[in-house]
Amino acid sequence: GQNIDQPTEMTATEGAIVQINCTYQTSGFNGLFWYQQHAGEAPTFLSYNVLDGLEEKGRFSSFLSRSKGYSYLLLKELQMKDSASYLCAVIIGGGSYIPTFGRGTSLIVHP
Amino acid sequence: DVKVTQSSRYLVKRTGEKVFLECVQDMDHENMFWYRQDPGLGLRLIYFSYDVKMKEKGDIPEGYSVSREKKERFSLILESASTNQTSMYLCASSGQGFEQYFGPGTRLTVT
Repeated sequence: GQNIDQPTEMTATEGAIVQINCTYQTSGFNGLFWYQQHAGEAPTFLSYNVLDGLEEKGRFSSFLSRSKGYSYLLLKELQMKDSASYLCAVIIGGGSYIPTFGRGTSLIVHP
Repeated sequence: DVKVTQSSRYLVKRTGEKVFLECVQDMDHENMFWYRQDPGLGLRLIYFSYDVKMKEKGDIPEGYSVSREKKERFSLILESASTNQTSMYLCASSGQGFEQYFGPGTRLTVT
């Protein structure tokens, strides 16, 4: 089975850097996603990691360590609009394409 | 840009009513999904479909059914709505890549 853990809530200051962690336990692995979801809106895709290492995309970066079952999303130069929920989702192996979502981390950015 | 639309943003129904939630995507994606999202529980998969007229149960299919008569359209049916089905319902689609594109969601209230 799969078990995906991420912190429930985090707070940070505008302009700072924040790291949101995600750990997972699965019987296989086929990739990990990060999505952003603003209150009352649909989740939107941020990143996809399938190999170990860091993927950078502007202010956002995502890291994966398959051996440790661990990923993080790094947000730099935080802005107020980054206040949102961040969802970690894992696709297990065996030819599956169905992601299993963690419960999400609510990030609050304050001035 | 991929567009996923859902028939209603807000819906109020009475207990026992039959409820139809419609989802349409315009990117010729093979895979379509229905999730419900509840506070503290995250996104939970109800049903998914990988082709026309094909459907598979997700993690919480009880009380729901689905229909996929055309590739672009995936309907979620609540045969007899109950108050514990009050939730946010999100439709998503994906193609050859695993990235999911979500619709805006339908907030259903069953009274």
